[in-house]
Amino acid sequence: GNSVTQMEGPVTLSEEAFLTINCTYTATGYPSLFWYVQYPGEGLQLLLKATKADDKGSNKGFEATYRKETTSFHLEKGSVQVSDSAVYFCALNRNSGNTPLVFGKGTRLSVIA
Amino acid sequence: DGGITQSPKYLFRKEGQNVTLSCEQNLNHDAMYWYRQDPGQGLRLIYYSQIVNDFQKGDIAEGYSVSREKKESFPLTVTSAQKNPTAFYLCASSGTGRETQYFGPGTRLLVL
Repeated sequence: GNSVTQMEGPVTLSEEAFLTINCTYTATGYPSLFWYVQYPGEGLQLLLKATKADDKGSNKGFEATYRKETTSFHLEKGSVQVSDSAVYFCALNRNSGNTPLVFGKGTRLSVIA
Repeated sequence: DGGITQSPKYLFRKEGQNVTLSCEQNLNHDAMYWYRQDPGQGLRLIYYSQIVNDFQKGDIAEGYSVSREKKESFPLTVTSAQKNPTAFYLCASSGTGRETQYFGPGTRLLVL
């Protein structure tokens, strides 16, 4: 079945450091891939997405590239800020159409000044 | 403003009691979902509905029930059969195609 594996946290970085959060997936077919962010006590917000191989999603300085050959969708940011402290979830569609997402377990990021 | 609302923000359940979590959306989305979030567990699917008057069980449906009588609303009932209901519950919706899911702010359920 479909599954998502992302690096375990917590990840602690200093402000302005480079961020990578690894995400790999197992899926049949060609799922869309997503990164969501969750701030404390809140719901999930879409950060970025990619719908086909070699697509790059980007938003707020974050980027991720859909790599079919390595079944990966790693999240990167060149210079993190304290305000980026949150939990990040990698996810994929189970099937085409309006179908549920499969989520990784989440990676908690703490950025210290 | 368009979006998804969940109420209440906090809910307390006594032993043997059924409680209902509300989820409403005004995005005109066809599909709605309920997920449960436990610390360190990611999100797990409880139920989902792709169209009014129809819904499917997710991975952890036991002890929960839903209804979808209106497009805008997808309430979740946590029954007394759910022995470990303490969690953060998230509702989401999506439009047509392989669309993004949009999430509500969540309801935290606690057992007294």
